[in-house]
Amino acid sequence: NAGVMQNPRHLVRRRGQEARLRCSPMKGHSHVYWYRQLPEEGLKFMVYLQKENIIDESGMPKERFSAEFPKEGPSILRIQQVVRGDSAAYFCASSPDRGDNEQFFGPGTRLTVL
Amino acid sequence: DAKTTQPTSMDCAEGRAANLPCNHSTISGNEYVYWYRQIHSQGPQYIIHGLKNNETNEMASLIITEDRKSSTLILPHATLRDTAVYYCIVRVQKTGANNLFFGTGTRLTVIP
Repeated sequence: NAGVMQNPRHLVRRRGQEARLRCSPMKGHSHVYWYRQLPEEGLKFMVYLQKENIIDESGMPKERFSAEFPKEGPSILRIQQVVRGDSAAYFCASSPDRGDNEQFFGPGTRLTVL
Repeated sequence: DAKTTQPTSMDCAEGRAANLPCNHSTISGNEYVYWYRQIHSQGPQYIIHGLKNNETNEMASLIITEDRKSSTLILPHATLRDTAVYYCIVRVQKTGANNLFFGTGTRLTVIP
């Protein structure tokens, strides 16, 4: 059973460009979470999604950031018009439906904005 | 979710037990104690969780005080690969639930 997959692992963008980060949850998991980790800091929650629904986006910046988890395909975290402050590691986690909420994390995408 | 307090850093000799404390004095009756760790540059890894009884698995043991205001994660025989930041998190357990709140954690360094 493959773990949580994220791609790309490293992404370099220039200021003003768009960044798209992808996350494929573990097989059988329909809950996806996105976290951001700035250098030397702990992970900060961004958004929690189930298939086709955003459940909690309380950690998402109000502008430029969006997330989706379509019926088919991976979850996408999209950052428009990136700025240098968006440079961070972005981690995705998934959890199963069975009632507990152990979250399994992917390897992360490291975004560097030049 | 209740907040936790952990020491910033700890050292442990290789082969010895590593005991990582966590204070969660405002924990509610329905909140569990979870431990995750993050090895450098990797995604966090689940270690163990418990409610009020002590728990043990292949990775670690979790000791929760009777009043549940604190707990200790025990790595019985630390290896160099256990060097990581360890996060203690308290939260309600429910389907899907919500985010995990990662504080600053404890940076454990296992010394040869």
